[in-house]
Amino acid sequence: GAGVSQTPSNKVTEKGKYVELRCDPISGHTALYWYRQSLGQGPEFLIYFQGTGAADDSGLPNDRFFAVRPEGSVSTLKIQRTERGDSAVYLCASSLLAGGYNEQFFGPGTRLTVL
Amino acid sequence: DQQVKQNSPSLSVQEGRISILNCDYTNSMFDYFLWYKKYPAEGPTFLISISSIKDKNEDGRFTVFLNKSAKHLSLHIVPSQPGDSAVYFCAASEELEQGGSEKLVFGKGTKLTVNP
Repeated sequence: GAGVSQTPSNKVTEKGKYVELRCDPISGHTALYWYRQSLGQGPEFLIYFQGTGAADDSGLPNDRFFAVRPEGSVSTLKIQRTERGDSAVYLCASSLLAGGYNEQFFGPGTRLTVL
Repeated sequence: DQQVKQNSPSLSVQEGRISILNCDYTNSMFDYFLWYKKYPAEGPTFLISISSIKDKNEDGRFTVFLNKSAKHLSLHIVPSQPGDSAVYFCAASEELEQGGSEKLVFGKGTKLTVNP
């Protein structure tokens, strides 16, 4: 079956602009995560959705970052007034919500470059 | 302060030999540990995991060892193959109530190169 998909694969924008990054999770996966991977670092958690609601947004760096998942499937990460330090690969992952640990399946990521 | 540390940025081994990738952690609340493999321009893919109540988990050529007292885990790949060349990330998750966030905390990764 189809895995997690993310669009666009690459996004180049200018400082101060607004961007939206999209994630299509695996069908039936209730849990959805956003991570950010900066150069030379491992992925860092941003936000977690359980269904439509953001159950844990403790990783969002500031109020310029916002994410939605209105119908419990597709999610959009929104970044306002982008800064050069926002340049990174933004990864989305989805998983089931079942007993025990639930494996997270990652998409290929969106590489954001802020000039 | 990094809660999951991979102190070796790179490792090079010969095909057929053993690869050992190491990972240390500081948070004693972590109860699940995972290894992810990442090729360029792709997302991380799950490789193997271990619960904190175990000290070893084996899956084919891959074995993960956990030493809770030392807060250390390692991934052994034997025999190593050129196709194993990738960046390997160690990750950990805290025990939470069912349905709660299972957010992963990642190390910086180790780039493994297996030479033919």
